[in-house]
Amino acid sequence: EAGVVQSPRYKIIEKKQPVAFWCNPISGHNTLYWYRQNLGQGPELLIRYENEEAVDDSQLPKDRFSAERLKGVDSTLKIQPAELGDSAVYLCASSTNRGLVYEQYFGPGTRLTVT
Amino acid sequence: AQTVTQSQPEMSVQEAETVTLSCTYDTSESDYYLFWYKQPPSRQMILVIRQEAYKQQNATENRFSVNFQKAAKSFSLKISDSQLGDAAMYFCALGDGQNFVFGPGTRLSVLP
Repeated sequence: EAGVVQSPRYKIIEKKQPVAFWCNPISGHNTLYWYRQNLGQGPELLIRYENEEAVDDSQLPKDRFSAERLKGVDSTLKIQPAELGDSAVYLCASSTNRGLVYEQYFGPGTRLTVT
Repeated sequence: AQTVTQSQPEMSVQEAETVTLSCTYDTSESDYYLFWYKQPPSRQMILVIRQEAYKQQNATENRFSVNFQKAAKSFSLKISDSQLGDAAMYFCALGDGQNFVFGPGTRLSVLP
């Protein structure tokens, strides 16, 4: 079974530029998460999707961040414009909703550097 | 709000020895799950072990076991017979069906 796929793995951009990250979850996983992980810290949830619906986006900085999961499968996270403080690793995870809570399977992450 | 605390930023253990990583949490929910995740330097987060709050029996996965103290809201991870490949960041996490919160992590070094 293929795992969670993310691309690109690394991205370096100048501040004020836009950037997009892509995630393909494990087949059949209806829940998808985007996390931001700063160096030396634990992941922080940005947004959670149940199928194509964003059910928790309370931590997403909506002035510059946006996300979509149009067909309830792949998802894209966008930052426009990027700021220096956005440098971090962006993790995507997916899970099924069988049972109360759901083991999350993580992708390798995208390391973003904003210069 | 749910919180997860890991009070040990760094730990080290001699190869083949046993080490225990600490985690405390807070939640107002009665039904929840607790997890330990491992994140090696390659950054792929891997689930190590999970514990359902309604189960009194501590979870075990090969060399990994937990000590779940529900009343104290404590969830420690014990790694027995430590191996060099166990070196990683370890994150304790709490999920209650609506929220999923990670602790700040403990960096484990394994000394040969």
